[in-house]
Amino acid sequence: AQTVTQSQPEMSVQEAETVTLSCTYDTSESDYYLFWYKQPPSRQMILVIRQEAYKQQNATENRFSVNFQKAAKSFSLKISDSQLGDAAMYFCAYRRNTGNQFYFGTGTSLTVIP
Amino acid sequence: GAVVSQHPSWVICKSGTSVKIECRSLDFQATTMFWYRQFPKQSLMLMATSNEGSKATYEQGVEKDKFLINHASLTLSTLTVTSAHPEDSSFYICSAPTAWLYNSPLHFGNGTRLTVT
Repeated sequence: AQTVTQSQPEMSVQEAETVTLSCTYDTSESDYYLFWYKQPPSRQMILVIRQEAYKQQNATENRFSVNFQKAAKSFSLKISDSQLGDAAMYFCAYRRNTGNQFYFGTGTSLTVIP
Repeated sequence: GAVVSQHPSWVICKSGTSVKIECRSLDFQATTMFWYRQFPKQSLMLMATSNEGSKATYEQGVEKDKFLINHASLTLSTLTVTSAHPEDSSFYICSAPTAWLYNSPLHFGNGTRLTVT
């Protein structure tokens, strides 16, 4: 079974600084999809960014970018120019190429210090 | 973008009663919906996978007779917590991927906070 590990239960960053959240996963598959979700205090899950495993280029969405290392099975999220609104729980997720099953990490709670 | 609507947002019920939570895909057809349970400051725990027109698939340890799931149409799945007890108090979230697009993310409802007194 696929497992997703987020080794940082809590992280903090100074406003306007950069922070990186780590995520590793275990799989024997070669084709899959990876996602980062944000869950603010409202508890609404919001998609931050996604990455297809077959793409070598790292995905970017404005201030959010990933460092996808397929061989190392690592998928870290970098938040640049952190803003107060970035404070939330962040979940890394893995989706198989077949079927609809998603696997979530345990989450990282990000605090942004003004 | 794809929208999933979940209702109610919060509900308080007495022990022994049943509560129904609805999850609707508003602008896409969802052949599959997932139901998650989330405890405070914890990750999402998958309870069951709801498939339109067939029986739901429950995760190990989830009582199918207690958490009844119905997915009668391509846009609606319901979770009924039967004979609720205080330990069922939790945050329940539904989600759905856009059908048959394997790079589709999950689209989440805004969750239901259930409190059983």
